[in-house]
Amino acid sequence: AQSVSQHNHHVILSEAASLELGCNYSYGGTVNLFWYVQYPGQHLQLLLKYFSGDPLVKGIKGFEAEFIKSKFSFNLRKPSVQWSDTAEYFCAVNAWGKSTFGDGTTLTVKP
Amino acid sequence: SAVISQKPSRDICQRGTSLTIQCQVDSQVTMMFWYRQQPGQSLTLIATANQGSEATYESGFVIDKFPISRPNLTFSTLTVSNMSPEDSSIYLCSANSDMNTEAFFGQGTRLTVV
Repeated sequence: AQSVSQHNHHVILSEAASLELGCNYSYGGTVNLFWYVQYPGQHLQLLLKYFSGDPLVKGIKGFEAEFIKSKFSFNLRKPSVQWSDTAEYFCAVNAWGKSTFGDGTTLTVKP
Repeated sequence: SAVISQKPSRDICQRGTSLTIQCQVDSQVTMMFWYRQQPGQSLTLIATANQGSEATYESGFVIDKFPISRPNLTFSTLTVSNMSPEDSSIYLCSANSDMNTEAFFGQGTRLTVV
């Protein structure tokens, strides 16, 4: 069975600071990797995804993530956060169609 | 991509009653799933909704409590039976067109049991 571990439960940053959220997964086979965002009171939205190819993937709103196979990691980054990035961020792995989510990281960006 | 509609979007229910949540996808999909997001927690997979056959439940979830139907490739229902306050959660429907594509999620059903 697959599992996902997100390193940070709550991150507080000031606007323009750089962001990196850690994600490690455990699964013996090929997985697809995702980052989702959930803004307060809203449903899940896909930020970015990795299936194969270039391990550095770019998503919406200036987010990117790097897949490092040897470390089973898929960390999310953004060079300069904005107040509007305040949200819950979930890393997920998908194998055979089933998604397994990490516990989530709450990001608070102070203006 | 797929657009997923869930009904109702929210409900407040009395304990001991049951609620059926509907999930409609705007295109035929191979795989449909139901998740639960308890307050302040991540998403947990309840079951895989199988078209024309019984759902496949994850550990800790049983058919008597969460009966699921999937009569065709675009529609599924989840019933939360004999509800208690511990069932207060957001329930989400998800769909993939196949196992190698991203999962799309509905907006969720926010259930409060009083």
